[in-house]
Amino acid sequence: ETGVTQTPRHLVMGMTNKKSLKCEQHLGHNAMYWYKQSAKKPLELMFVYNFKEQTENNSVPSRFSPECPNSSHLFLHLHTLQPEDSALYLCASSQVLLEPGETQYFGPGTRLLVL
Amino acid sequence: GQQLNQSPQSMFIQEGEDVSMNCTSSSIFNTWLWYKQDPGEGPVLLIALYKAGELTSNGRLTAQFGITRKDSFLNISASIPSDVGIYFCAGQGTDKLIFGTGTRLQVFP
Repeated sequence: ETGVTQTPRHLVMGMTNKKSLKCEQHLGHNAMYWYKQSAKKPLELMFVYNFKEQTENNSVPSRFSPECPNSSHLFLHLHTLQPEDSALYLCASSQVLLEPGETQYFGPGTRLLVL
Repeated sequence: GQQLNQSPQSMFIQEGEDVSMNCTSSSIFNTWLWYKQDPGEGPVLLIALYKAGELTSNGRLTAQFGITRKDSFLNISASIPSDVGIYFCAGQGTDKLIFGTGTRLQVFP
């Protein structure tokens, strides 16, 4: 238990569906992150939020839309996804925006399958 | 962009054996982290290294921050079945955390 929870843990959706992934951290951290983990590839950073403000978008397609209503919650809204978007989506948080010496704590992930 | 080469990609060992894996980079890092990921879970931080040459232990795990700041290794001594999982290194320079591709460890009784 790392103090970062994610729901749902598993999600199957069609390409025309709209769904949302939720992340909540109970650590009092101020920075939150979305990562994509595909088989045999390094973790890919998608979005970064610092004090609820988006500070980074790593060229992520617009069919992924993040939302951070407060420092404890982070959402990833999904719309008209493609089968190649199937992956494990990981949320992470850190006390402050990642700087040398700062570490991230990960949630368990949402395993997404797009049919 | 920055890349981390992690090796080996996978290891199949017998319970009780020692394990060694490493990461190398073409760039200098200020921080090296080692994570373990169990099936169906997110990565969990094992060891954090902040200084070149630093050697840190966490139980049966030992990790070192290379003197050149371009590499790090992780050793696991006397492996047990629950060591099974994927081990990731991560390095950080001045901004982003860069992850390696992982080493998949299988331990046979």
